[in-house]
Amino acid sequence: AQKITQTQPGMFVQEKEAVTLDCTYDTSDPSYGLFWYKQPSSGEMIFLIYQGSYDQQNATEGRYSLNFQKARKSANLVISASQLGDSAMYFCAMRHSGGSNYKLTFGKGTLLTVNP
Amino acid sequence: GAVVSQHPSRVICKSGTSVKIECRSLDFQATTMFWYRQFPKQSLMLMATSNEGSKATYEQGVEKDKFLINHASLTLSTLTVTSAHPEDSSFYICSARAGRKVDPPLHFGNGTRLTVT
Repeated sequence: AQKITQTQPGMFVQEKEAVTLDCTYDTSDPSYGLFWYKQPSSGEMIFLIYQGSYDQQNATEGRYSLNFQKARKSANLVISASQLGDSAMYFCAMRHSGGSNYKLTFGKGTLLTVNP
Repeated sequence: GAVVSQHPSRVICKSGTSVKIECRSLDFQATTMFWYRQFPKQSLMLMATSNEGSKATYEQGVEKDKFLINHASLTLSTLTVTSAHPEDSSFYICSARAGRKVDPPLHFGNGTRLTVT
């Protein structure tokens, strides 16, 4: 069965510092995709970054980078130079199966608080 | 970028009534739409997957007669909570998948906070 685990219910970081949010996954599919989404208190889900299982390089999007360690089945999100606006809930998600069985499974999330 | 519009953002209804939530893809054709439910401080739980022109596929434990999903066009899917009860109060959020590429990021609506009194 596919599973996403986020072991940090909450994280604190000082403004301008970097923070790593952990995510591990479990799947038997050879092809899968990993996503990170940000959910502010207003509720919308904002797509941040994506990593495909066959991608050789770690994904980067501006201040976001994904530390993909396939053998360890981890896909940690690194946010550099944290800003106050980064305070939000962060969800790791995995796409498993494909075609008509496309599904996205979410972890329980990590609440990030950026302190001034 | 791709935009998904969800309406209403908040709704309060009385127990026993039905509520319809709309999810529209504004600038792309959504071959597949997904409906999620999120309880406070919890993760998103997939309720059902709908493909345009066909019946929705419900996740285990989701009552299809209670949560009616219609995906009548490539840009519109609706979720109707029938005979709502207080335990149906939750945050409902839709997402849409554009095309059939392996991994397009899902685009989410802003969610609907349903309160049943």
